[in-house]
Amino acid sequence: AQSVTQLDSHVSVSEGTPVLLRCNYSSSYSPSLFWYVQHPNKGLQLLLKYTSAATLVKGINGFEAEFKKSETSFHLTKPSAHMSDAAEYFCVLSFGNEKLTFGTGTRLTIIP
Amino acid sequence: KAGVTQTPRYLIKTRGQQVTLSCSPISGHRSVSWYQQTPGQGLQFLFEYFSETQRNKGNFPGRFSGRQFSNSRSEMNVSTLELGDSALYLCASRIADRAYNVEQFFGPGTRLTVL
Repeated sequence: AQSVTQLDSHVSVSEGTPVLLRCNYSSSYSPSLFWYVQHPNKGLQLLLKYTSAATLVKGINGFEAEFKKSETSFHLTKPSAHMSDAAEYFCVLSFGNEKLTFGTGTRLTIIP
Repeated sequence: KAGVTQTPRYLIKTRGQQVTLSCSPISGHRSVSWYQQTPGQGLQFLFEYFSETQRNKGNFPGRFSGRQFSNSRSEMNVSTLELGDSALYLCASRIADRAYNVEQFFGPGTRLTVL
């Protein structure tokens, strides 16, 4: 069975400091992995995706993530947090044409 | 290119009623998936339609059903509404032409409140 675990339900960082949102996965096969962001009362927006190409993936708004097979991790990072980054972030797993499996989400708060 | 659109955006119903939600995918996308988002259960997969056929189904009761039309637009129906059906219902579309082309694009959702 495939699963995704987001290790922190809530992360708070000061504006201008680095962001780290952690995600571990479990899959019998090489999965596709995604990070989505959801701002309040909005749908989900794709930040970045990993589909077995480069292990370091760059996304929109300065975010990036590194796929580490040995650690079964796909952590999301950003060098410098901005107030507009405050949102809920979801780590998502998929294999082939199968359905998306969502993590439980990490709420990111930015302290001015 | 226009994004995924969902109508209506907000809906209030009472227990026992039924409701139909609509989703128009991005032009050229043939797959439409539906998700339910609640504070307690998070994001849960309902079903996926591809070329008017249901391809995948989540663990929801038969009160939840859907269909897809020849233009790829999709509708989701919930009959005999229960209080626990109150949720944000999200629709997502993707091209689905290759196994690796799997990223889904989400609509803004329909907020359903059951009283």
